[in-house]
Amino acid sequence: GAGVSQSPSNKVTEKGKDVELRCDPISGHTALYWYRQSLGQGLEFLIYFQGNSAPDKSGLPSDRFSAERTGGSVSTLTIQRTQQEDSAVYLCASSQGVYRAPYGYTFGSGTRLTVV
Amino acid sequence: AQTVTQSQPEMSVQEAETVTLSCTYDTSENNYYLFWYKQPPSRQMILVIRQEAYKQQNATENRFSVNFQKAAKSFSLKISDSQLGDTAMYFCAFSPFGNEKLTFGTGTRLTIIP
Repeated sequence: GAGVSQSPSNKVTEKGKDVELRCDPISGHTALYWYRQSLGQGLEFLIYFQGNSAPDKSGLPSDRFSAERTGGSVSTLTIQRTQQEDSAVYLCASSQGVYRAPYGYTFGSGTRLTVV
Repeated sequence: AQTVTQSQPEMSVQEAETVTLSCTYDTSENNYYLFWYKQPPSRQMILVIRQEAYKQQNATENRFSVNFQKAAKSFSLKISDSQLGDTAMYFCAFSPFGNEKLTFGTGTRLTIIP
């Protein structure tokens, strides 16, 4: 597609439920990134994909968080047993590759997750 | 580990005036990139300007320019002839050369007053 698409745009869920957030990167972009933006904070790195593999998942805050990418394209970030502290905007970005990332990051508009 | 500090949580300026947003960072790397991103209410992060640390010349993109002081680890953004559409959150970010992760500051909320 023309840009990075994220869905849903907004999600309200009850504490303890599981949620799935979707990211559809720009066609042909091999690298994909997930960041989290909590209220009043900057963006916090979560995980990075190169193709379908995740060389760096060091930012995932707990084992309740997982992500996968299939076909070198769409990625899903799953949060199990959601907690109120998971409330944030989850942003996805894609690029043409690791060494071009500083030049080619394109962000989506994010998913605002609210856990009540 | 790298850190990025933006010490101005909020700023406001009259339309058509010039404003400077501050950013400092800490790193032991010698080669790296620095960025300013704009985040309007639509939430999408938009790249405003970038600077390669090995370049001494300050980057410029139309009304946006930076003052990069490598020794002082300072990277400020100057917006000239500010426009209403410049109202947004502005984030300073750092990336070591060859590393895909961005480290962000906490942002500055800029409001342009008509």
